[in-house]
Amino acid sequence: AQKITQTQPGMFVQEKEAVTLDCTYDTSDPSYGLFWYKQPSSGEMIFLIYQGSYDQQNATEGRYSLNFQKARKSANLVISASQLGDSAMYFCAMREGPPAGGYQKVTFGIGTKLQVIP
Amino acid sequence: DTEVTQTPKHLVMGMTNKKSLKCEQHMGHRAMYWYKQKAKKPPELMFVYSYEKLSINESVPSRFSPECPNSSLLNLHLHALQPEDSALYLCASSQGEPAGNQPQHFGDGTRLSIL
Repeated sequence: AQKITQTQPGMFVQEKEAVTLDCTYDTSDPSYGLFWYKQPSSGEMIFLIYQGSYDQQNATEGRYSLNFQKARKSANLVISASQLGDSAMYFCAMREGPPAGGYQKVTFGIGTKLQVIP
Repeated sequence: DTEVTQTPKHLVMGMTNKKSLKCEQHMGHRAMYWYKQKAKKPPELMFVYSYEKLSINESVPSRFSPECPNSSLLNLHLHALQPEDSALYLCASSQGEPAGNQPQHFGDGTRLSIL
């Protein structure tokens, strides 16, 4: 079974509008972490936001927020006030279990390509 | 500019060549990673080093040989690669213990083409 599911291969959004990128996950471990990364065409993976399974509040970082619905096992990324520079591939990733051994082993979803239209 | 530096940015090599990819970080991170990413696919983990010791090898073919000379450097030695090894190779690093919510920081990657 897929650990991370991103069902939107591509999304379009008008500049200055908000957009939600979907991510659902599958784990039976009570401790886990969820990450969102952005990958422009240049190739670099840019960390955007993190949500821990025990975090009580939804994570926010500037224009990025994570809509965490634990019971539904979803961790959707919300980008407010889209900008042209937001056009990129977006990956949801999960670390199952507590971090151990001093490293984070994560599994990535297949990604969603976001295009911002002027 | 990223805080994880990868060289070279592009590499074209024949199947009989030996080459190395290099990765450097000066953030004091104690975990370093190699990923392989094919076009339009997510990154796939290859190796993890934690405190300069190999912690994970995801059943990677022996034609890929990682090396971690010190806490700031990570190399990937390549030998007798196949055309299907053509991909973007990403290096990442993250804080050691406690790992907690610390994300991985990625370099720009090396685009590798095998002729």
